[in-house]
Amino acid sequence: QLQLQESGSGLVKPSQTLSLTCAVSGGSISSGGYSWSWIRQPPGKGLEWIGYIYHSGSTYYNPSLKSRVTISVDRSKNQFSLKLSSVTAADTAVYYCARESVEANWFDPWGQGTLVTVSS
Amino acid sequence: SYVLTQPPSVSVAPGQTARITCGGNNIGSKSVHWYQQKPGQAPVLVVYDDSDRPSGIPERFSGSNSGNTATLTISRVEAGDEADYYCQVWDSSSDPVVFGGGTKLTVL
Repeated sequence: QLQLQESGSGLVKPSQTLSLTCAVSGGSISSGGYSWSWIRQPPGKGLEWIGYIYHSGSTYYNPSLKSRVTISVDRSKNQFSLKLSSVTAADTAVYYCARESVEANWFDPWGQGTLVTVSS
Repeated sequence: SYVLTQPPSVSVAPGQTARITCGGNNIGSKSVHWYQQKPGQAPVLVVYDDSDRPSGIPERFSGSNSGNTATLTISRVEAGDEADYYCQVWDSSSDPVVFGGGTKLTVL
């Protein structure tokens, strides 16, 4: 059974860079037909897609975040990562990683999520 | 950008049928996916490609999509179905992954 687990700093200072990693277990990140996504949810609000990466390394980002986002993959460790630069309080959210179907663009499964707070 | 509109809340008595709508311009031409999110938990895919169910999702969950409205239908609602539900599509001309604002299902 495929499982995803986020890890990283839970508290980031304004203007700094948020860094998270998603470890994939129970399957290979190099499996065809899927990409690997980051999605976030501010407290009490809805879901916002951040971007995805294929195992080949090609990426696609939400245009509203594109200038600040970098998603990378480490196939040797079966994990992928998110960096979000120049963070503000508006970036405070629960960050989820998820597998995305390339063909139909649904997300399943999701990691449990990790809360990142931007505060000095 | 493409917008998906969901009612903020839907209430239903146990054993009845809940219908949660997701409105979007010509959404019937897109594949719609639905997620269930219980408090403090990650979203779970309950319907994909308008009307298909992932393994492990009860048959009580079904979906339809036509015109400008997609609908998630939950039959014989149980207390454990109380959650937030989100619709989602892919729109190559905009963001491109678009989520609806979510609907809180309350079981009375």
